[in-house]
Amino acid sequence: DADVTQTPRNRITKTGKRIMLECSQTKGHDRMYWYRQDPGLGLRLIYYSFDVKDINKGEISDGYSVSRQAQAKFSLSLESAIPNQTALYFCATSDVLGETQYFGPGTRLLVL
Amino acid sequence: TQLLEQSPQFLSIQEGENLTVYCNSSSVFSSLQWYRQEPGEGPVLLVTVVTGGEVKKLKRLTFQFGDARKDSSLHITAAQPGDTGLYLCAGAGAGSYQLTFGKGTKLSVIP
Repeated sequence: DADVTQTPRNRITKTGKRIMLECSQTKGHDRMYWYRQDPGLGLRLIYYSFDVKDINKGEISDGYSVSRQAQAKFSLSLESAIPNQTALYFCATSDVLGETQYFGPGTRLLVL
Repeated sequence: TQLLEQSPQFLSIQEGENLTVYCNSSSVFSSLQWYRQEPGEGPVLLVTVVTGGEVKKLKRLTFQFGDARKDSSLHITAAQPGDTGLYLCAGAGAGSYQLTFGKGTKLSVIP
């Protein structure tokens, strides 16, 4: 079984809709991250969490929110989706050193 | 803001050829990592380099960290179709828990 799982793997939604992307991990890591990947732009950090009570904004947090429901679960919400949020979204985890990150398989999101 | 520039952005070579991918910055990193990403999957860590001048080998892949810890290179010897993918470098700043990613090098190895 995969250590980091993401659901859904693919999602099509309409402008203005609220959607949630979910991430679960079995690695026992405290640190979890959400990134988006766009062609030609690489991976950009949206939010990160060092533990259940510690959530921080990343480089591009506007239009997104997160919830750390448990050590193993970290969800990303788009309150009102817009077309420029169309991207590939990755969840990642790391140990306390934070330098090696383990990525999920990604969620491909299309906002019409 | 720390930036990592990767070059080339795209690379298409014949099976058996050698290649080098570069990752450069004006900033110093405490460590630098290389990931490979295949279509439909998340990035997978290949190696972490920590010491300036460090060289690590992983089968046909050779990774080097610059003496000043501002740049790194990935050299592949005798490339194979299975090496095809997106190669990403990522740097960790001193005292920072965040990784800065380069934009990636998309490698295609033609049989």
